[in-house]
Amino acid sequence: EPEVTQTPSHQVTQMGQEVILRCVPISNHLYFYWYRQILGQKVEFLVSFYNNEISEKSEIFDDQFSVERPDGSNFTLKIRSTKLEDSAMYFCASSVDSRNQPQHFGDGTRLSIL
Amino acid sequence: DQQVKQNSPSLSVQEGRISILNCDYTNSMFDYFLWYKKYPAEGPTFLISISSIKDKNEDGRFTVFLNKSAKHLSLHIVPSQPGDSAVYFCAASRTDSWGKLQFGAGTQVVVTP
Repeated sequence: EPEVTQTPSHQVTQMGQEVILRCVPISNHLYFYWYRQILGQKVEFLVSFYNNEISEKSEIFDDQFSVERPDGSNFTLKIRSTKLEDSAMYFCASSVDSRNQPQHFGDGTRLSIL
Repeated sequence: DQQVKQNSPSLSVQEGRISILNCDYTNSMFDYFLWYKKYPAEGPTFLISISSIKDKNEDGRFTVFLNKSAKHLSLHIVPSQPGDSAVYFCAASRTDSWGKLQFGAGTQVVVTP
């Protein structure tokens, strides 16, 4: 069964450094998402992406965050200047459609900011 | 953000019996609901979904019930198996929200032999 893959599985970065999290969505999916889960908290929506544009973003997704689909397969989340509070599990997801279709998640990248 | 609530943090059930997980929501604009299962060190795995035009959806051992007037949904797993031990998340979205899912806090299910 096709799956969403995320790399790396664990990223350790110094505060203030830039980090790029990578995702390969399911190949025939057109909608892409990033979520995060801070330890002990709910899974939170960050951003949705369709047709090379951000469709919706949460208040968490400020100017430090950006997303890109640099080629036909990868979908990346960049955090420009990481803060301690960015430490979380980051999940990528994709779906065939944004309406009434399930999103399929990758196994996540654990981001640890020191 | 408390729009989706799972009030039971944990549930223990015997193998072969029914597991019932509950979820409440406050936003009447939600019109698509999903259940995900999550094992440690893995991402959420989609289980089953229901649109607001239905009140029941069934897939094998999993059935989701939706009560719109009560803003409540439940997931029934029959029969429960040891491999069902995981955290279960309820999620909801609105048609006009570009797929944004709002998650509950999750319920840890333990299936005992």
